Amino acid sequence: AQSVTQLDSQVPVFEEAPVELRCNYSSSVSVYLFWYVQYPNQGLQLLLKYLSGSTLVKGINGFEAEFNKSQTSFHLRKPSVHISDTAEYFCAVSEGTGFQKLVFGTGTRLLVSP
Amino acid sequence: NAGVTQTPKFQVLKTGQSMTLQCAQDMNHNSMYWYRQDPGMGLRLIYYSASEGTTDKGEVPNGYNVSRLNKREFSLRLESAAPSQTSVYFCASTREAGENYNEQFFGPGTRLTVL
Repeated sequence: AQSVTQLDSQVPVFEEAPVELRCNYSSSVSVYLFWYVQYPNQGLQLLLKYLSGSTLVKGINGFEAEFNKSQTSFHLRKPSVHISDTAEYFCAVSEGTGFQKLVFGTGTRLLVSP
Repeated sequence: NAGVTQTPKFQVLKTGQSMTLQCAQDMNHNSMYWYRQDPGMGLRLIYYSASEGTTDKGEVPNGYNVSRLNKREFSLRLESAAPSQTSVYFCASTREAGENYNEQFFGPGTRLTVL
C-alpha cells in the first residue's frame, strides 16, 4: 500500500523568500505524484503532477517539483513566494497502473508574511 | 461549465439524524469520489465510483452509503450521524483517459457538524 509523508505541518516564510515543501512517499510499484493547493474555505486545485518523463515538473503560479525515485521524494519549490501563496498544500500519490485512487499526505500550511 | 458542485455548503445535524450530501459534475467524467477532510489527517477516501453503476469502499467507509445515480451525480448518505462524522466532505471527479487524465477536480466542500 502507498503512503505519503509531509513532515512539516506548517512552514512560515517571508514574502519574496524561497520555499520548499517536503513530500516523501512509499510504494512498491511505479507511481504518479501530485501536489494540490487548498485556499481557505475552498476545494483542492491541482498545482502540478508527475506521470512520467522529465523529473522536474513545472506547475501553476510559479511552483515546480522534482521527482527523485532513489529518495522517494517529490518536494515542491518556489523561488519567491507571495502573500497570496498562503494556503495548505497536499502531496498525493497514486499507483502508475489501473484505476486511480489518490492517497494524500496530511498537508503543509504555508504562511507567508510581509 | 460549473465543474463539480456540492450541496449543501453547511449542515448541522443531531446525533442519529440522517442526511444525504449531493454531488454533480458536468465534465462528462467517468469516475467520482467522496473524501472527508479532518485537521491533521489530510483527505481520506470514503467511497468511489469508477464508472456509472459501480461503487466501491475506500479507506473509511463505515457509517456511510453512496449512490451513483447517473454519470453526473454521486451522493453520500449518512444513515445515523455520529459526532465522529463531523468533518468537511469533498466530492471529486476525474476522467480515465484523454486530456487531464489523472487530474481529480474537486467541489467546494460541505462542512458538516454533528452535535
